This record gives sequence, structure tokens and C-alpha cells, in this order.
Amino acid sequence: DAGVTQSPTHLIKTRGQQVTLRCSPKSGHDTVSWYQQALGQGPQFIFQYYEEEERQRGNFPDRFSGHQFPNYSSELNVNALLLGDSALYLCASSRGPGGTGELFFGEGSRLTVL
Amino acid sequence: GENVEQHPSTLSVQEGDSAVIKCTYSDSASNYFPWYKQELGKRPQLIIDIRSNVGEKKDQRIAVTLNKTAKHFSLHITETQPEDSAVYFCAAKGVTPGSARQLTFGSGTQLTVLP
Repeated sequence: DAGVTQSPTHLIKTRGQQVTLRCSPKSGHDTVSWYQQALGQGPQFIFQYYEEEERQRGNFPDRFSGHQFPNYSSELNVNALLLGDSALYLCASSRGPGGTGELFFGEGSRLTVL
Repeated sequence: GENVEQHPSTLSVQEGDSAVIKCTYSDSASNYFPWYKQELGKRPQLIIDIRSNVGEKKDQRIAVTLNKTAKHFSLHITETQPEDSAVYFCAAKGVTPGSARQLTFGSGTQLTVLP
């Protein structure tokens, strides 16, 4: 059983560019959440997708957007990249949008903005 | 919104000793408290969790305690081993419409187990 898979694993962009990160949830999971983890910090919630809709959003600007597809996979898009967007972007999947079910994290996509 | 504070930020213990990491949370309605272990360059992995209707939970060498009145919870690792060396994160999940779908994480504790 493949867990949560993310791509790409590493990427380098320059300020002002746009980036798309991809995530496939663990088998049997229908909910995808995205987190940003800056170096030396805990993950910060960006948003959650369930039934192809954004269900909750953290304190992130509109430059951060996402999408969920019918097969439950998800994309995170970041426009107009800033140096401060450099971080590890973690995708986490779960069964159902709420409750206290375990979150399974992917290995992350490490974004460097120059 | 929810705020989670975690202490200490770094912790060094001798192999075989115990390690304790403490977290406090701000939202008294939070009802789920997981602990994640993250090795360098790896994904966070759940090691133990506790729900608000339970005061303590144990899994082999790992235990978590929850004090809802004081709004704090702790991770206890006994008989530490070098492979326990990693960054540990506590987290809390609320029940209000603005917090029920997200985990709020602490800032992490770098645990080093010295052989």
C-alpha cells in the first residue's frame, strides 16, 4: 500500500515565478491537507480539500491556491513566489474531513526560491 | 485561533535515560493531541495520540499525558535509544468551525540521545 506520494521532491524557482506541487493520498483516503514547514519550525496549515472543495484555510494569502481531483489527488499552486515561500511543503491525507483520524504525511516537496 | 507552545526546543539525554517534552495549548475546546516524530529529511510520522476524554495513554516506551484543566500535555519516552534521536512535534486539533479541520503544531523539540 503506497502511502502519500508527492512530486516533485525538490525544486528551485526564482522570485515572481509560479509553482505547482502534486499529491496523491494514501489509498482509502479522500481528504487532503497541505502544510508549509519552514526550516526549524513546525508545519503550518495552508488548507484542506474534501469533495473537490476547499473546506478550511489557514492564514495564507490568496497567492496560495489548490485543487482536488475526482480521484482525490491534489495540487498546491503558489503564484508570485517570494523568498519567504522557501520551505518544505507537506501533503497529508486522512479519511474524512474532520474528526480525530490520523493524518498521514508525504515526504514533502522542498521549494527553494532564489 | 489555537496556539501551541512546546518546550524545550532542544533536549539531550544519555542512552537509557528518560525524556520528557511538554506542550501547552490555548483552545480549551481542543479534543485531539497527536505527537509526530520527524527524522532529518523525512516526513512527520505519528507516534502516539490522545483524545480529550483520556488522561494518559501508553505504547511500549512512549506515553502521553493530558491535563485538560491546565491545558497541557506531555510526551514521555523511557529507556531512550539512539534511534529515538529526531525532532518531535506536538499538535492540537480544535472543534470550532475555524479549527476543526487542521492541526496546530508546536515548534518542535530536537531530541538527541547520546550513546
